[in-house]
Amino acid sequence: QVQLQQWGAGLLKPSETLSLTCAVYGGSFSGNFWTWIRQSPGKGLEWIGEINHSGGTNYNPSLRSRAIISVDTSKNQFSLRLISVTAADTAVYYCARSVKGERLGRDFYLYYIDVWGRGTTVAVSS
Amino acid sequence: TVLTQSPATLPVSPGERATLSCRASQSVSTNLAWYQQKAGQAPRLLIYGASTRATGIPARFSGSGSGTEFTLTISSLQSEDFAVYYCQQYNNWPKTFGQGTKLEIK
Repeated sequence: QVQLQQWGAGLLKPSETLSLTCAVYGGSFSGNFWTWIRQSPGKGLEWIGEINHSGGTNYNPSLRSRAIISVDTSKNQFSLRLISVTAADTAVYYCARSVKGERLGRDFYLYYIDVWGRGTTVAVSS
Repeated sequence: TVLTQSPATLPVSPGERATLSCRASQSVSTNLAWYQQKAGQAPRLLIYGASTRATGIPARFSGSGSGTEFTLTISSLQSEDFAVYYCQQYNNWPKTFGQGTKLEIK
């Protein structure tokens, strides 16, 4: 059974870079997308982006290229960096596994989140 | 794709049936999931593909709908079901969540 363990700095100052890492235990690292989501009282749940084992990524345009997701397959880990944070980035950040859903083409699937990490609270304050 | 959940809060008595709604601003086919979140915890997958229960989810949870209208039904509420429920679409980019429906004890 897959488990996700995440960690990273919980208190940042404006303009700093948020950095979180998620380790995957159990299950297959390939064949899935590895996802970051955040949750704040003001904006609810927001999908940030995802990466597969080959490094292919998809991002939410709302983050305007501030988000960078990377993968380290040798450690079964993936990471999120969010540059130039502001108070609006204060949230609980979750890592998650996204698995194959509907098949749309020969090698193209839609992916949905099936397992979540416990979340990391990140506060941005001067 | 904006997902609008209704109602925002639903008071229900244990043992009763609860019906939660999720409406999409454009079609998401059946690529919609439902999650349950309890205070201080991460969301948990209940339903994917609009109507398929995830592993280990009790049969009292059922999902239906396609296109833009979806429903999550809990047939007989247990004490552990009082939580916040979110729908999420994964058909269109970017993937989006509804704002949630809080199920509270009546």
